[in-house]
Amino acid sequence: DTAVSQTPKYLVTQMGNDKSIKCEQNLGHDTMYWYKQDSKKFLKIMFSYNNKELIINETVPNRFSPKSPDKAHLNLHINSLELGDSAVYFCASSPGWGSWEKLFFGSGTQLSVL
Amino acid sequence: AQTVTQSQPEMSVQEAETVTLSCTYDTSENNYYLFWYKQPPSRQMILVIRQEAYKQQNATENRFSVNFQKAAKSFSLKISDSQLGDTAMYFCAFMGPGAEKLVFGKGTKLTVNP
Repeated sequence: DTAVSQTPKYLVTQMGNDKSIKCEQNLGHDTMYWYKQDSKKFLKIMFSYNNKELIINETVPNRFSPKSPDKAHLNLHINSLELGDSAVYFCASSPGWGSWEKLFFGSGTQLSVL
Repeated sequence: AQTVTQSQPEMSVQEAETVTLSCTYDTSENNYYLFWYKQPPSRQMILVIRQEAYKQQNATENRFSVNFQKAAKSFSLKISDSQLGDTAMYFCAFMGPGAEKLVFGKGTKLTVNP
């Protein structure tokens, strides 16, 4: 059973489109995250939710809007996609806020904006 | 702001040999956590080992061990008896006492050759 699952694994789209990436965890964790890994492999946190409440928003353009309908899900919606949005997006979860040693990552969604 | 530096973009090692990956960080904090994550071609991020700064003893997990030099702000990862499955990107990461976020280095691509 996959602990943190993201869909889709690959997403190819045109500039200006709106797209969503879904994330679900079946670990019973309270905290979920979105990370962005750029073409140089640099991994940076974008958002963090704890018990469906936004905790971290790392100066991400407001075209990116996370949505957490419940503790097990954290979806990422991106409006008006730009070339620079091309990256691998990772969802992650941990038991609670600050439990970084028990951070589980999904396998990533590779977004390509043409 | 904390920074994490991995000075070796790529490394290679022969199977069964030992390799050491370097990581340095910059912080004014006294208590913090350090991590090494592995990202194989499957893209999934996997926690390899962690170290609490207040512990003097170096962490060890089977073939993986760290050399934590707090004064030098150095946190290297040693992989003994390298295996083909160790081929991956390795990321060093830092978390401050406030547990606000995990800061990653840019990664080291390790190739284990048969």
